[in-house]
Amino acid sequence: GAVVSQHPSWVICKSGTSVKIECRSLDFQATTMFWYRQFPKQSLMLMATSNEGSKATYEQGVEKDKFLINHASLTLSTLTVTSAHPEDSSFYICSARDPNIMNTEAFFGQGTRLTVV
Amino acid sequence: DAKTTQPPSMDCAEGRAANLPCNHSTISGNEYVYWYRQIHSQGPQYIIHGLKNNETNEMASLIITEDRKSSTLILPHATLRDTAVYYCIVRVAYKRNTPLVFGKGTRLSVIA
Repeated sequence: GAVVSQHPSWVICKSGTSVKIECRSLDFQATTMFWYRQFPKQSLMLMATSNEGSKATYEQGVEKDKFLINHASLTLSTLTVTSAHPEDSSFYICSARDPNIMNTEAFFGQGTRLTVV
Repeated sequence: DAKTTQPPSMDCAEGRAANLPCNHSTISGNEYVYWYRQIHSQGPQYIIHGLKNNETNEMASLIITEDRKSSTLILPHATLRDTAVYYCIVRVAYKRNTPLVFGKGTRLSVIA
């Protein structure tokens, strides 16, 4: 079945550096992908909608200049956390759905645990 | 999408059926009920969805009341690996390019 793959699974970076997280759809072409963030013991919070070939749409309160999203191909979206700070430490998850299948479920990546030290 | 209400936590003995309730009293006629679960430090996993008929697959059964205002996810023989947060989400099926909105879910603990 359709699979969404995320890389890396975990990353530790120094404060002030940038980190790129990749999200790939393996079995289908995803014109739209979604990025979520999850803090400990909390639910998933939508950060942004990634649209292939156009600008991402960010949720209120999410800084677009800090969380850069690029969706340059139909199978790859990237999230770059720029100038990371300890408060950006979180679990980042991407999601996509096969646009050619009606009423199909959303698939999620395995998540990326970011720790900023 | 309609709002859902779930108990924050539940316990279940290993091998017994786990019955997870969800209230969605404002559901509209074209909204489906979806269930996902999230095992610790993993991305959410799809379980099952339905419109008005009861549904069953290899993972679980979904029972939707006749008035569609509530549903129950049933894991027939819970195992320790079923310990996770379970999310009940209501949404219109054809909104493929809109994201799932997660509530707080139910934290199911399966106990040996």
